[in-house]
Amino acid sequence: AQRVTQPEKLLSVFKGAPVELKCNYSYSGSPELFWYVQYSRQRLQLLLRHISRESIKGFTADLNKGETSFHLKKPFAQEEDSAMYYCALRAAGNKLTFGGGTRVLVKP
Amino acid sequence: DGGITQSPKYLFRKEGQNVTLSCEQNLNHDAMYWYRQDPGQGLRLIYYSQIVNDFQKGDIAEGYSVSREKKESFPLTVTSAQKNPTAFYLCASSPTGGKGYEQYFGPGTRLTVT
Repeated sequence: AQRVTQPEKLLSVFKGAPVELKCNYSYSGSPELFWYVQYSRQRLQLLLRHISRESIKGFTADLNKGETSFHLKKPFAQEEDSAMYYCALRAAGNKLTFGGGTRVLVKP
Repeated sequence: DGGITQSPKYLFRKEGQNVTLSCEQNLNHDAMYWYRQDPGQGLRLIYYSQIVNDFQKGDIAEGYSVSREKKESFPLTVTSAQKNPTAFYLCASSPTGGKGYEQYFGPGTRLTVT
């Protein structure tokens, strides 16, 4: 069975500082990994997927199959990045397995 | 306003009562999902449906039931057998196939059972 682990429940950084959210997964096959984000009073929404290899809102994430990780990074955090972030893995079909989430608080 | 809707936003029930949470979508998505969101535990899949009249158990289906009689609707019933029903419930939908990875979420229903 697949599993997604986000070891940090809360990350607090100052505006302009780098931020990195850790995500580790266990899955025997070839996974698809995603990051979803939930801003205050908004719905959970897709932020980015590893296949697209794009930067969204300044965030990037690289899939490291050797370390089974998919960490989310941004070099300069902004106050609007404060949100709940979930790492998710897609195995069979459309089912997603979510991690426990990391709350990011960007202080001014 | 298109998308996926859940009602009500807040729901209160007495222990021992069954309660049904509504989820409707007008995105023409084939797949729909129910998750439970608890602090520190992320989202856990309760049930999902890839097509009308078919659904599968997720990771924590015990004490829950669903139906999928229409493409647009996927109601979730929390039965009295669910030992810890107080939680925030999220419904989602997605296309199937290649774009099925992007799930669209509703605003959620917070259920409190006392």
